[in-house]
Amino acid sequence: DIQMTQSPSSLSASVGDRVTITCRASQSIDTYLNWYQQRPGKAPNLLIYTASSLQSGVPSRFSGSGSGTDFTLTISSLQPEDFATYYCQQSYSTPFTFGPGTKVDIK
Amino acid sequence: QVQLVQSGAEVKKPGASVKVSCKASGFTFTDYYMHWVRQAPGQGLEWMGWINPYSGGTHYAQKFQGRVTMTRDTSIVTANMELSRLRSDDTAVYYCARGAPMVRGLIIYMDVWGKGTTVTVSS
Repeated sequence: DIQMTQSPSSLSASVGDRVTITCRASQSIDTYLNWYQQRPGKAPNLLIYTASSLQSGVPSRFSGSGSGTDFTLTISSLQPEDFATYYCQQSYSTPFTFGPGTKVDIK
Repeated sequence: QVQLVQSGAEVKKPGASVKVSCKASGFTFTDYYMHWVRQAPGQGLEWMGWINPYSGGTHYAQKFQGRVTMTRDTSIVTANMELSRLRSDDTAVYYCARGAPMVRGLIIYMDVWGKGTTVTVSS
């Protein structure tokens, strides 16, 4: 199975901050990498697919980049509704494993 | 609107089985894969498998092989996930999630999620 790691595991930030989350795969996954946001008690929400494609309806302050084994999710200007946990997921091979998550909370 | 409505919470004893249903609306059920993902309390997300609602074909994560069965009923546009021989560590919220349209080939993501079904396994 492909192992996914994320860093940091948590971070504190203020509204308006630029936030970057890193995801690393245990082997090359090309650009088969998705990002999800999950607010407490809610289902995950797709933000980015194939590493850099913005899902319809997702604000443009979210962006993704990377290929191979290293990927980043960037929030250009953090908004109050962005405080949540973010997960990366590889869709290169089954099982489609998720990273352990990065919790973004208010500084 | 596009949505997935899941069945209600379940409490089961160890060794029993549970069946969770997921009713689709607002899109053509047979055009999209359906995935199942679970989340144990306070933990991350775990992919369990997918079903092709058009053909009924399935692919399960190795971890769940032999215990999970995913089915669909196209007449009522519903996908089902049954997990057998339940253990306490199967206690989790189980989500169904619409995958990418099949015409997109190798592109795989989950863009519409049900609200989740809480399954509690306790003696």
